[in-house]
Amino acid sequence: AQSVSQHNHHVILSEAASLELGCNYSYGGTVNLFWYVQYPGQHLQLLLKYFSGDPLVKGIKGFEAEFIKSKFSFNLRKPSVQWSDTAEYFCAVTSSGGSYIPTFGRGTSLIVHP
Amino acid sequence: SAVISQKPSRDICQRGTSLTIQCQVDSQVTMMFWYRQQPGQSLTLIATANQGSEATYESGFVIDKFPISRPNLTFSTLTVSNMSPEDSSIYLCSVEDLGVNGYTFGSGTRLTVV
Repeated sequence: AQSVSQHNHHVILSEAASLELGCNYSYGGTVNLFWYVQYPGQHLQLLLKYFSGDPLVKGIKGFEAEFIKSKFSFNLRKPSVQWSDTAEYFCAVTSSGGSYIPTFGRGTSLIVHP
Repeated sequence: SAVISQKPSRDICQRGTSLTIQCQVDSQVTMMFWYRQQPGQSLTLIATANQGSEATYESGFVIDKFPISRPNLTFSTLTVSNMSPEDSSIYLCSVEDLGVNGYTFGSGTRLTVV
């Protein structure tokens, strides 16, 4: 069965700081990877996704993530965060041989101080 | 992308009662998914609902506790039956959204059982 681990449960940053949120998955086959964001009081939104091709994917609002197959990782990055990035971030995985229904990580709460 | 309308957005219920959550999609979808998001926890899949057949429940979830209806390709309901305080959570519906090559979520129902 596939699983997702997010190591940072709570992250607090100042504006303009760089961000990296860790995500590791466990599944040996072909995977699709997602990052979702949930702003306060809003629903989950897709931030970016990786299916195949260039392992460095760019999403909305300046976010990017890099798929490193050898490390089973899909870390989310942003060079300079803004106060408006304060939100909950979820990593998720689907797989062709496991489940096509997303398995989610526990989530990381990001607070950005102005 | 698909637009999902979920209601109620929140409710406070007495233990022993039942609550039905509705999820309406603005386009036809084959499968709809119901998740639970407990405080500080990941999203946990409750069941997958296909139109015209019984829902498929994940381990730890049973039809008697969480009956699901799927009368057509745009609508589904989840009922939380005989509620206890342990059922206090956020319940989310989701669909596979080919428009974004990912999954789209409803805004969630925040349930508090007292």
